[in-house]
Amino acid sequence: EAQVTQNPRYLITVTGKKLTVTCSQNMNHEYMSWYRQDPGLGLRQIYYSMNVEVTDKGDVPEGYKVSRKEKRNFPLILESPSPNQTSLYFCASGSGGEQYFGPGTRLTVT
Amino acid sequence: RKEVEQDPGPFNVPEGATVAFNCTYSNSASQSFFWYRQDCRKEPKLLMSVYSSGNEDGRFTAQLNRASQYISLLIRDSKLSDSATYLCVVTMGRRALTFGSGTRLQVQP
Repeated sequence: EAQVTQNPRYLITVTGKKLTVTCSQNMNHEYMSWYRQDPGLGLRQIYYSMNVEVTDKGDVPEGYKVSRKEKRNFPLILESPSPNQTSLYFCASGSGGEQYFGPGTRLTVT
Repeated sequence: RKEVEQDPGPFNVPEGATVAFNCTYSNSASQSFFWYRQDCRKEPKLLMSVYSSGNEDGRFTAQLNRASQYISLLIRDSKLSDSATYLCVVTMGRRALTFGSGTRLQVQP
């Protein structure tokens, strides 16, 4: 089954404690990206990757890091999370405008 | 001005009604256009692409007006299961997709 998986699905953490949200796709897509979704602001792109070892900033990259060492995986790293990073995060992969999203990770930073 | 703007709604319509949403975009160089559907607390899913000539998929019709820089989505014979948030998406080449904030539709029995 073609899918994008994310883990964890829910996470409550404290300010400053480094965390990683994993993302994996089994569709051999070159393009992967991370979004955050906040009420009233819609989906905003954090980072994207056009291929292995190629990553670039989206619209709201501050406070986030990514890596793309393998085609299928695109982890999102928060080195020092802050409460303003409390949000719903989606990973996506695809081609052009046809994107497949993971189920989302709901992160709360206290 | 936002790159992609949508009326947040909610649009409350009875079953069987026809409802239409518009989405405006600011960059005239935008290349591709799509509608996504998002159910509450779930991931967005591609509903349909929007072609210059307009396209139809069952009860759904999407249209693009480049001159006025908007796209539209028309839903005929609304079903309860159509209740969701509809996201307009605009792309510029291969780089990034820009999502609108979404329009919420609530179909009532």
